[in-house]
Amino acid sequence: GAVVSQHPSRVICKSGTSVKIECRSLDFQATTMFWYRQFPKQSLMLMATSNEGSKATYEQGVEKDKFLINHASLTLSTLTVTSAHPEDSSFYICSATDRGRGYGYTFGSGTRLTVV
Amino acid sequence: DAKTTQPNSMESNEEEPVHLPCNHSTISGTDYIHWYRQLPSQGPEYVIHGLTSNVNNRMASLAIAEDRKSSTLILHRATLRDAAVYYCILSAHSGTYKYIFGTGTRLKVLA
Repeated sequence: GAVVSQHPSRVICKSGTSVKIECRSLDFQATTMFWYRQFPKQSLMLMATSNEGSKATYEQGVEKDKFLINHASLTLSTLTVTSAHPEDSSFYICSATDRGRGYGYTFGSGTRLTVV
Repeated sequence: DAKTTQPNSMESNEEEPVHLPCNHSTISGTDYIHWYRQLPSQGPEYVIHGLTSNVNNRMASLAIAEDRKSSTLILHRATLRDAAVYYCILSAHSGTYKYIFGTGTRLKVLA
């Protein structure tokens, strides 16, 4: 089945630094990827949609200059949290789909970001 | 995006069937009904999906109301490993069919 690998699984960074999270589709080409964030005991909130080779589309209220998304290849999307602050601490999850394969989303295992 | 409504939490005894309801009264004709579940500190995992007819797979069954305004995920024999948050999501099967997650149902399975 489709596998999405997310790395790192956990990261701790200092306030003011930037952190990059990778999302890879291992056995399929992902034309579209999505990034979510999830606070404790809450549901997943969609942050942005990234399409290979084009700019990401951000959901209302998500700062595109703070959460930089790059989807330069059909198997890799990255989310960079720039100038991270403690309030950015969250669980970040990506999902991927290949429309050419038909239908369905596969989610990564998530990245726990802690900003200290 | 059509909204779904689920109970916040449910409990079940181990090895008993569990029926997880979802209301989606504003569903459109092209919306598929998807169910995912999320274990603690993991990404969501696909469970089942359907459009109009009831669906069965190795994990669960999906019963869809005739008017499609509600659906029920059925776990035939709950195990401790089924304890998770279950999300019912509507999404079109064309275009950029992004998933919007509702609050989900937290299922607790009692030994």
